[in-house]
Formats: sequence, C-alpha cells, structure tokens
Amino acid sequence: QVQLQESGPGLVKPSETLSLTCTVSSGSISSYYWSWIRQPPGKGLEWIGNIYYSGSTTYSPSLKSRVIISVDTSKNQLSLKLSSVTAADTAVYYCARDTLLIVAHSGYYYYGMDVWGQGTTVTVSS
Amino acid sequence: DIQMTQSPSSLSASVGDRVTITCRASQSISSYLNWYQQKPGKAPNLLIYAASSLQSGVPSRFSGSGSGTDFTLTISSLQPEDFATYYCQQSYSTPRTFGQGTKLEI
Repeated sequence: QVQLQESGPGLVKPSETLSLTCTVSSGSISSYYWSWIRQPPGKGLEWIGNIYYSGSTTYSPSLKSRVIISVDTSKNQLSLKLSSVTAADTAVYYCARDTLLIVAHSGYYYYGMDVWGQGTTVTVSS
Repeated sequence: DIQMTQSPSSLSASVGDRVTITCRASQSISSYLNWYQQKPGKAPNLLIYAASSLQSGVPSRFSGSGSGTDFTLTISSLQPEDFATYYCQQSYSTPRTFGQGTKLEI
C-alpha cells in the first residue's frame, strides 16, 4: 500500500521560501501525476499544482508566479517551493497521488486523488 | 478556472437519515467529478470518482450522480462515522478546483 509523507519546516518567516518534500514509500513515483494541495486553518482545499513523474508541471494560476514543483525519481520524492510567503500561505500542505481510475464496464479512465499524505502544518510568522 | 459551488454549506442530520449534497460547476465538466470526505485533522479521502463510480473500500451507502454541470452525493443511511466535511472536485481541466465544502453535523 503506497504511502506519502510530507516533511519540512513548520515555521517560515514572511518573504522567505517555503520548502516541503513528499516521500513516496511502498510504491513507485513513476507513471503517476502528483499534486500539492493546501488547506488554510478552518477553510477549504486549494490545489497548488501537479507534476508528472517525467517532470512536466501544471500550476494554479493564482500561485504560478511563486511556485516550483519538482520530482526526484531516484529518491521517490517530490518537492514544493513557494516563494515570498505571507501569513495567507499559512496552511496544512498535502501531497496526493492523482491516479487514472477505470470506470467499470466502460473502458474509460478518470483522474482522482486516491492516496494522500497526512499533511504538514506550515505557519508563516516572524 | 472552473468554479465549483456546493450546497448546502452545512447540514444537520441524524443517524439513519438519507442525505444529499449538491455540487454545481461553472461550465460543463461531463462526468469529471470527484467527491472526498474529510474528518477533522485528517487528509481527505476519495469516495466517488467519475461522478458515480465508488472508490474501492467505500461503503455502498455512498452514491454519486450527475453529469454536465450538476452533481449530487447521496448517503442513503447516515452512520456515526459519516459526520464529516465533504468536497467535490473537478478533474476536467487544470487547475483542479474544489467546492467550498459541506459540513455534515449531527
């Protein structure tokens, strides 16, 4: 059963860069898309962006100027860097596997985030 | 971006009730709609994908329907462990977008 574990500093100063790692265990990072999602305290889910194992990325337009997502297949890890952070970036950050799931009797596949990390809390404060 | 709007934002119900949550997309997304359950302090859990397909391991009391712009998640008989927040999410295009969530309370 594949497992995801986010790691990184829990406290980041304003204007600095938030850096997180997601380690994939009991499974391969290859042949999948991987997403980063965040959730501010008491609020809903916000998709940050995703990366294919080959390295191609897509970012949310609202964060695109500040985000870099990368993958290291040799370490089975993906990473997130968010620059110029403010208090508004305080959130629980999740990584998730975005999997092609088959619809029975149809032969069609649809994406769904079927495996999630437990999340890591990042607070932006001086 | 495709906007996802859920209703209601919160819902009070009792064990054994039948409950329906609605999600509307700002444009047609065919059947590219997922539902997630999130309990406090936990990561979301995929319940339904492709609008109506039950994810492996999810109880059959959960069902989804709809296509185009209007979708529903139905819980046929609420169990104590179902009290949580539910999110819809479109997988039709990027950026992936979520609804604002529906908190299901006793």
